[in-house]
Amino acid sequence: DIQMTQSPSSLSASVGDRVIITCRASQTIGSYLNWYQQKAGKAPKLLLYGASTLQSGVPSRFSGSGSGTDFTLTISSLQPEDFATYFCQQSFSSPRTFGPGTKVDIK
Amino acid sequence: EVQLVESGGGLVQPGGSLRLSCAASGITVRTNHMTWVRQAPGKGLEWVSVIYSGTSTYYADSVKGRFTISRDNSKNILFLQMTSLKAEDTAVYYCARAWDYFSGMDVWGQGTTVTVSS
Repeated sequence: DIQMTQSPSSLSASVGDRVIITCRASQTIGSYLNWYQQKAGKAPKLLLYGASTLQSGVPSRFSGSGSGTDFTLTISSLQPEDFATYFCQQSFSSPRTFGPGTKVDIK
Repeated sequence: EVQLVESGGGLVQPGGSLRLSCAASGITVRTNHMTWVRQAPGKGLEWVSVIYSGTSTYYADSVKGRFTISRDNSKNILFLQMTSLKAEDTAVYYCARAWDYFSGMDVWGQGTTVTVSS
């Protein structure tokens, strides 16, 4: 099975900050990497798929990059509604494993 | 409106069984890749099982041999039959759909809670 890791596990940031979250796969997964945002008590929301394709309706301040084993999620200017937990997930092979998550909270 | 609605969660004793349902509207379960994902209290997301638009199914090692994913095409419902339940199966269970074999999951249900406890 492919293992996914994320860093950092949590971070504190201010509105307007640029935030970068990294995700690493234990083996190459091409560009089959997805990012989700989850707020407390809610279902996850797909932000990006294929490592860098923005899901419809997602603000352009979110962007993704990477291929192979190393990926990043960037929030260019953090907004109040972005405080949440972010998960990466590989969709290269089953089981479609998730990373452990990165919690973004208010500094 | 595209919607997934889970049901069937509840309190069950260790060793017991439960069947979760996920009723779909606005999408066709048969032609999408339908997944169950769970989240234990205070923990991250765990991928549980998928049934592809063909008939292939896959399971996480943690549930293999105990859980069975299936669908009723005529009723447009996804199921997760859970047997030999353990305390560590306690979680919110979400159903979700992927529109493509390699895509992410863009439609999620609200989740149903399963608690395994004596």
